[in-house]
Amino acid sequence: DGGITQSPKYLFRKEGQNVTLSCEQNLNHDAMYWYRQDPGQGLRLIYYSQIVNDFQKGDIAEGYSVSREKKESFPLTVTSAQKNPTAFYLCASSIGLAGVDEQFFGPGTRLTVL
Amino acid sequence: AQSVTQPDIHITVSEGASLELRCNYSYGATPYLFWYVQSPGQGLQLLLKYFSGDTLVQGIKGFEAEFKRSQSSFNLRKPSVHWSDAAEYFCAVGSNDYKLSFGAGTTVTVRA
Repeated sequence: DGGITQSPKYLFRKEGQNVTLSCEQNLNHDAMYWYRQDPGQGLRLIYYSQIVNDFQKGDIAEGYSVSREKKESFPLTVTSAQKNPTAFYLCASSIGLAGVDEQFFGPGTRLTVL
Repeated sequence: AQSVTQPDIHITVSEGASLELRCNYSYGATPYLFWYVQSPGQGLQLLLKYFSGDTLVQGIKGFEAEFKRSQSSFNLRKPSVHWSDAAEYFCAVGSNDYKLSFGAGTTVTVRA
């Protein structure tokens, strides 16, 4: 079955540590996205990538970094510079433009900073 | 800049009753409008989308939405809800780029 996988489902991190969230898709989509979800705030775009080896900052990129070395993979690193990293993180992909095409979402990773 | 407002944070509805979720958008041109649903602890799934044409859009799971340009609204409806419809619903507005703006969401509780 085609889809998006995210791992791990739950992640705990100590303050000051960097952590990487995995996102893999087998839908052959060019575009991939990372969103952060907090209660009562909907989804906010962290980074997006239109094509391999290219990515752009979203609305809340500070304290995060990404890479896109393969079409299938778009890992997100939450760095120690992110002041409030505890949140639910969602990865998504689409054939083309997010503002036009359906986005397919992974099941999410819940990150808790201890 | 595009934006979405979902006025209702939480709605409780009886099983078998009708449901309407409100969505108001702000966008200068003709918008691309979406409704997504999220079950607890899961990702989002597309219910329906509107680009142009018929202002009444049919989606999956028996949902429909009506685009009203004069009111800048895109309300979601279902004639008869099932317990499995309990979830969080997000309205979103897009344009011809990579940016999709989501509303804050409406949580739907279904009581027996």
